Amino acid sequence: GAVVSQHPSWVICKSGTSVKIECRSLDFQATTMFWYRQFPKQSLMLMATSNEGSKATYEQGVEKDKFLINHASLTLSTLTVTSAHPEDSSFYICSATSGSLTEAFFGQGTRLTVV
Amino acid sequence: GENVEQHPSTLSVQEGDSAVIKCTYSDSASNYFPWYKQELGKGPQLIIDIRSNVGEKKDQRIAVTLNKTAKHFSLHITETQPEDSAVYFCAASPYGQNFVFGPGTRLSVLP
Repeated sequence: GAVVSQHPSWVICKSGTSVKIECRSLDFQATTMFWYRQFPKQSLMLMATSNEGSKATYEQGVEKDKFLINHASLTLSTLTVTSAHPEDSSFYICSATSGSLTEAFFGQGTRLTVV
Repeated sequence: GENVEQHPSTLSVQEGDSAVIKCTYSDSASNYFPWYKQELGKGPQLIIDIRSNVGEKKDQRIAVTLNKTAKHFSLHITETQPEDSAVYFCAASPYGQNFVFGPGTRLSVLP
């Protein structure tokens, strides 16, 4: 299947700082990328959907000014957690799909710990 | 919007036995139903999927069945092995967009 690479796999940051997570599709052009958040022992909760070259669509309850999403190319989307707080600590996962695929392929996830 | 329920939340089976996980969905517009396996600390991996134009699909020890009328689909794993232990998520999606995931099933295969 297609490969989606997410970086970093884990990060620890101090409260008040910002953290950027990258999601890359390595062997296909991802017209749409999804960002999820997953708390321990829970399911994946969709945060936002981003289409290349346009603004992301955020799910209800997700602060767009806090979770900045950029999808500037067909192979890269970034999620920036701004002014991070301990409650933002979570497992963040991206997935990508394209017009020629209906499957969504997931990155390996990023564990964010805010101290 | 779509709502996906999944049962059971936990499942323990003896090695070699079969495991069945069931999901229901609410939106009749959903036509793509993937199953993902997630190991601890990793992202979900697609293991099998089914589209609404078929009722069953099989890949070695894994099979998925779909009943569109009843809006439910199931994952069947035969001859389970310890490495099958993981959390399994079902999802429903219209045309591969807006995936809605079930709450997950933690499968433990006991040696």
